[in-house]
Amino acid sequence: QQQVKQSPQSLIVQKGGISIINCAYENTAFDYFPWYQQFPGKGPALLIAIRPDVSEKKEGRFTISFNKSAKQFSLHIMDSQPGDSATYFCAASKNNAGNMLTFGGGTRLMVKP
Amino acid sequence: DTEVTQTPKHLVMGMTNKKSLKCEQHMGHRAMYWYKQKAKKPPELMFVYSYEKLSINESVPSRFSPECPNSSLLNLHLHALQPEDSALYLCASRPDRVSYGYTFGSGTRLTVV
Repeated sequence: QQQVKQSPQSLIVQKGGISIINCAYENTAFDYFPWYQQFPGKGPALLIAIRPDVSEKKEGRFTISFNKSAKQFSLHIMDSQPGDSATYFCAASKNNAGNMLTFGGGTRLMVKP
Repeated sequence: DTEVTQTPKHLVMGMTNKKSLKCEQHMGHRAMYWYKQKAKKPPELMFVYSYEKLSINESVPSRFSPECPNSSLLNLHLHALQPEDSALYLCASRPDRVSYGYTFGSGTRLTVV
C-alpha cells in the first residue's frame, strides 16, 4: 500500500519559472512532512519540512503548502534555477512509529536554462 | 562534524564474494539506518539500529548482515549477493528514534556481477 503518492514523476521547467510538486497521504497519524532533494550519486538531503499545525512554510525560494483536510502537501520552487535540477522526494512520518519515513515515489525535475 | 561518511563509494563484487560497507558519523546520533535505493525509486528501509541494538529488520534476506560495533559506526556485511541486489546503499542517522532530523550519507554504489 503506497501511503504517500507523489506527482508528477517528472517535470521540466524553464529557468526563472515556478516548479510545483504535489504529494497526497492517506494516514492521518502522520505528523511530520519533509522534502528531500537528491542529486545523482548523492544521498537525499533535507530541503524543508512542515508540521500539520502550519499551513505554509517558506525557506528562501522553497515553500511547502499544507492542506490538512485534503491530506495533501506541495513543494513550490520559485525562480527555478538549473542547479535545482535533481530528484525530489516528499515523505511523511509519525511519532508513535519511531518516526520512520514513508517516501513518495519521487519527481525528477529538470530546469532548462 | 555534521556528516555521515560511507565507504567505499563504489563496489563491484561477484556473487561468491564477501564484502562490507561502512558508515561512520560523529554527531553523537544514537539511531542509525541502512536503506537500499534502486534507480528512479525512493529509498527503502532495511535495518534500524537504536543505541547500538538492532530494533528493526524489514524482512531483509540473510545475505545482508548488519553490525553496529559502536555508537559511531555501522557496517553492512554482504555475502552471496544476487545481481538484483545491485543498488545504492544509503546510511542515515539521527539523534535518536524520536527526533525528526535524518542525515543521509552519499551512499555506496554496489554492482553485483
